[in-house]
Amino acid sequence: QQQVKQSPQSLIVQKGGISIINCAYENTAFDYFPWYQQFPGKGPALLIAIRPDVSEKKEGRFTISFNKSAKQFSLHIMDSQPGDSATYFCAASKKGGGNKLTFGTGTQLKVEL
Amino acid sequence: GAGVSQSPRYKVAKRGQDVALRCDPISGHVSLFWYQQALGQGPEFLTYFQNEAQLDKSGLPSDRFFAERPEGSVSTLKIQRTQQEDSAVYLCASSLGMASSGTQYFGPGTRLLVL
Repeated sequence: QQQVKQSPQSLIVQKGGISIINCAYENTAFDYFPWYQQFPGKGPALLIAIRPDVSEKKEGRFTISFNKSAKQFSLHIMDSQPGDSATYFCAASKKGGGNKLTFGTGTQLKVEL
Repeated sequence: GAGVSQSPRYKVAKRGQDVALRCDPISGHVSLFWYQQALGQGPEFLTYFQNEAQLDKSGLPSDRFFAERPEGSVSTLKIQRTQQEDSAVYLCASSLGMASSGTQYFGPGTRLLVL
């Protein structure tokens, strides 16, 4: 059972455009929702994260929008740059038992010049 | 400071061989996680340590997989009698505390190929 569903699987955006990646979750016990960025041959690196008590969080060009009632959250990358080309994973974790992450299946983003 | 390191970076094993994968977490980090990442997929949780205690091993796919962290720092993931389906990237992550919102810092992974 896939607890975190991510779409699209791949995305091509023009330089300067907005990249949008969506995720949906099922488990209402999740209380922490990070986004990770992964370059080929590297481990995932935290990009931005949100708790369900806020509906939006912005850090630089990256924004998370969170809809608790719909159990959905999304990543928006403004002014996308070629250096943003990577695979992005949404994830979720719940209270208790440490903070093991349940990841989505990933979105391969390519930003073209 | 240094991040999470893993060794070896690449490992080729013949089916049936045993392998040991090492993780050096960030110094002082209490929590340590192992994940398995199949090609083109997101990482999947294997096991979790809080210091030397293995608190969750619900993600280990079979009893051929064994992990330890005897002194609460370095961890080893051992796979016995490797099978082709074990081929994947094995990621280690550490975090400072135990809170659900603690940032996990990932190592570069060990790419295991079982022939």
